[in-house]
Amino acid sequence: EAGVAQSPRYKIIEKRQSVAFWCNPISGHATLYWYQQILGQGPKLLIQFQNNGVVDDSQLPKDRFSAERLKGVDSTLKIQPAKLEDSAVYLCASSFRQGIQDEQFFGPGTRLTVL
Amino acid sequence: AQSVTQLGSHVSVSEGALVLLRCNYSSSVPPYLFWYVQYPNQGLQLLLKYTSAATLVKGINGFEAEFKKSETSFHLTKPSAHMSDAAEYFCAVRIQGAQKLVFGQGTRLTINP
Repeated sequence: EAGVAQSPRYKIIEKRQSVAFWCNPISGHATLYWYQQILGQGPKLLIQFQNNGVVDDSQLPKDRFSAERLKGVDSTLKIQPAKLEDSAVYLCASSFRQGIQDEQFFGPGTRLTVL
Repeated sequence: AQSVTQLGSHVSVSEGALVLLRCNYSSSVPPYLFWYVQYPNQGLQLLLKYTSAATLVKGINGFEAEFKKSETSFHLTKPSAHMSDAAEYFCAVRIQGAQKLVFGQGTRLTINP
């Protein structure tokens, strides 16, 4: 079974530029998550989708971050404009359902450096 | 709100020695608890989870953890460390009615030959 795919793996941009990340979850997984992992910290949930609907985006900085999952499969996370403090690893995860016991499977992440 | 605290951002043990990584949680309702491992440049992988069944939970790669309600702890142990165990370990909590996982800050485990 193929895992969660993410691209690009690494991205370096200047502050105030825009950037987009892509995630393809495991086939058949209805729930998709985007996490931000700042160096030295644990992952923090940015947004959770159930199919193509948003379940939780309470920690997404909506003035600069946006995410979509139009067809309920793959997803993109965008930052516009980027700030220095956005430097982090962005992890995508998926699960079959959103139940408390449903395991979340993580992709390898995209490491963003903002200069 | 629920939270987890991992005691010690870095732990170093010798190969063959006991591994003990500490995690304490804060939750007003019975929690579900998880341990994840992250190898360099990789995503997180589930090691084990506590879901209110047996308090001693066995996971992959010889790891286990014990849920102790009286101590609000869920420490991760392995009797004998192997070089391949070197990684970052995260404790996480999730409660019924709340969708998201809340992670601790992580503990980096180093194995000395």
